[in-house]
Amino acid sequence: QKEVEQDPGPLSVPEGAIVSLNCTYSNSAFQYFMWYRQYSRKGPELLMYTYSSGNKEDGRFTAQVDKSSKYISLFIRDSQPSDSATYLCAMGFTGGGNKLTFGTGTQLKVEL
Amino acid sequence: DAGVIQSPRHEVTEMGQEVTLRCKPISGHDYLFWYRQTMMRGLELLIYFNNNVPIDDSGMPEDRFSAKMPNASFSTLKIQPSEPRDSAVYFCASSFGLGGTQYFGPGTRLLVL
Repeated sequence: QKEVEQDPGPLSVPEGAIVSLNCTYSNSAFQYFMWYRQYSRKGPELLMYTYSSGNKEDGRFTAQVDKSSKYISLFIRDSQPSDSATYLCAMGFTGGGNKLTFGTGTQLKVEL
Repeated sequence: DAGVIQSPRHEVTEMGQEVTLRCKPISGHDYLFWYRQTMMRGLELLIYFNNNVPIDDSGMPEDRFSAKMPNASFSTLKIQPSEPRDSAVYFCASSFGLGGTQYFGPGTRLLVL
């Protein structure tokens, strides 16, 4: 079993839809959680970063962490074609240096 | 700043040849990471450095892979001899401080025939 599980998709939604992307993890040591966005043929770029359980909002994006269930989510409101990309969750813990464990990524396509 | 710079962007080589991938981190960053990305396995950490010193190389698949960081502005990942299963996109990333955001380069697409 992988430490971090993520549905690879692809996920196709119409423009304006609310998108929910999810990851589960097995290592209870993980303390901080991130979402990276990766456009085709580009490197990943950080989208959201959170330490604690609960919600964190940034514009159209909301990151949700439930440590008790070992489950994290990224919600995208009013999705746009420019949101079409692969979204990777990543997580780490303080004692692990700067090492991150990534999910395999979910491919999202937002259609006009 | 120009961001993390990687070269070459694309590499096609034949099995058995030596491959060298290069990375220039963002100036002032003290952590450097090498990752490999494939469809099957996703993004995997191969090795990372702190202040030019290798900290964790547990992700390096086997002795055919080696990485060096001779100074704060340059790192190499070498595969010798290369095999078709090494075909992947290799990313370099850098960050500043413990827990700092990792900034990724554009990647090197490697195809071993």
